[in-house]
Amino acid sequence: GAVVSQHPSWVICKSGTSVKIECRSLDFQATTMFWYRQFPKQSLMLMATSNEGSKATYEQGVEKDKFLINHASLTLSTLTVTSAHPEDSSFYICSASGGQGGPYTFFGSGTRLTVV
Amino acid sequence: GNSVTQMEGPVTLSEEAFLTINCTYTATGYPSLFWYVQYPGEGLQLLLKATKADDKGSNKGFEATYRKETTSFHLEKGSVQVSDSAVYFCALYRGSTLGRLYFGRGTQLTVWP
Repeated sequence: GAVVSQHPSWVICKSGTSVKIECRSLDFQATTMFWYRQFPKQSLMLMATSNEGSKATYEQGVEKDKFLINHASLTLSTLTVTSAHPEDSSFYICSASGGQGGPYTFFGSGTRLTVV
Repeated sequence: GNSVTQMEGPVTLSEEAFLTINCTYTATGYPSLFWYVQYPGEGLQLLLKATKADDKGSNKGFEATYRKETTSFHLEKGSVQVSDSAVYFCALYRGSTLGRLYFGRGTQLTVWP
């Protein structure tokens, strides 16, 4: 199947700093990318949907100024957690869809963010 | 709206036991249904899928049948292995937003030797 690379796989940062997570589709053009957050022992919470070249659509309750999403090309989307706080510590997962029709969406391996 | 309900976990089984993880859904029309598996510290991997009623998805000994009359997509495996220990997510795709999946809350499976 198609490959989605997510980087870094884990990161530790200090409170107040910003962290950028990258999500790349390696062998297909991702017209749509999704960012999820997963709390321990819970399901995936969709944070936002991004389409290449346009602003991301955020789910209700997600702070768009805190979680900046950029989808500047058909192979790359980034999530930047700004002014991180310990409560932002979580597992973040991206997925990418190539728009072939049907639910062909592929997941990155996730990023474990720890804010200290 | 669209939603998925999964049985509460965790599920603990001995090796070679029979596995069933229940999943029911709510959606308008005819969604596609999926099971994803997440191994510790990793992202999600597609395990199997079914795109229309009465379809049976299967992979690695796991099976699930799309039952429209009961709006269910239960995951089964006849003989589990220790390596099947993971979190399993049921999900549906409705098509309104290409690629957007609705997930159940996940079921933790632990298999003991």
